[in-house]
Amino acid sequence: AQSVSQHNHHVILSEAASLELGCNYSYGGTVNLFWYVQYPGQHLQLLLKYFSGDPLVKGIKGFEAEFIKSKFSFNLRKPSVQWSDTAEYFCAVNAPNNNDMRFGAGTRLTVKP
Amino acid sequence: DGGITQSPKYLFRKEGQNVTLSCEQNLNHDAMYWYRQDPGQGLRLIYYSQIVNDFQKGDIAEGYSVSREKKESFPLTVTSAQKNPTAFYLCASSAGLAGVWQFFGPGTRLTVL
Repeated sequence: AQSVSQHNHHVILSEAASLELGCNYSYGGTVNLFWYVQYPGQHLQLLLKYFSGDPLVKGIKGFEAEFIKSKFSFNLRKPSVQWSDTAEYFCAVNAPNNNDMRFGAGTRLTVKP
Repeated sequence: DGGITQSPKYLFRKEGQNVTLSCEQNLNHDAMYWYRQDPGQGLRLIYYSQIVNDFQKGDIAEGYSVSREKKESFPLTVTSAQKNPTAFYLCASSAGLAGVWQFFGPGTRLTVL
């Protein structure tokens, strides 16, 4: 079964700093990749997804992620974070035609104003 | 509004009692899921159902049971056999199989006293 690793448990940044959150997965076949975000007190919601095509995908609120197949990675980036980006971020993976979604442990991002 | 509802938001039970968590969706999704979220462990899959009257165990199904008698409903019972039931429980749904993402409910925080 596939698994997902998120390298950072807690990241603290100042506003306007650049962000990169690491995500690696272990699965040899074709995968669908996702980043979800959970703002304080809110539902878990989809930030962006990759199914196929351009490995650089853009999501909501200025986030983007790059799929690097050779590295089994799908890192999340944002050039300049805002205080409102404070949240927990989860990377997830599943195989096509498979409802078994695997989530990473999550990375808590704290942005200082 | 389309979405997923979970009730109640907070639930308290005495040790040794079974408790059922509600999950309803009006998105007309075929697949539904139950996850458990613990700090530092991300989301772990308890059970999922791809279609009415069918469901599969996830990674941590022991001590839990589910039913899927209606498309829109997927209740989760936390039995007295679950050794550490205090957690945040998330319900999700998706439109089907390949290449779809999951929509999440607001969650139920269960505390067993």
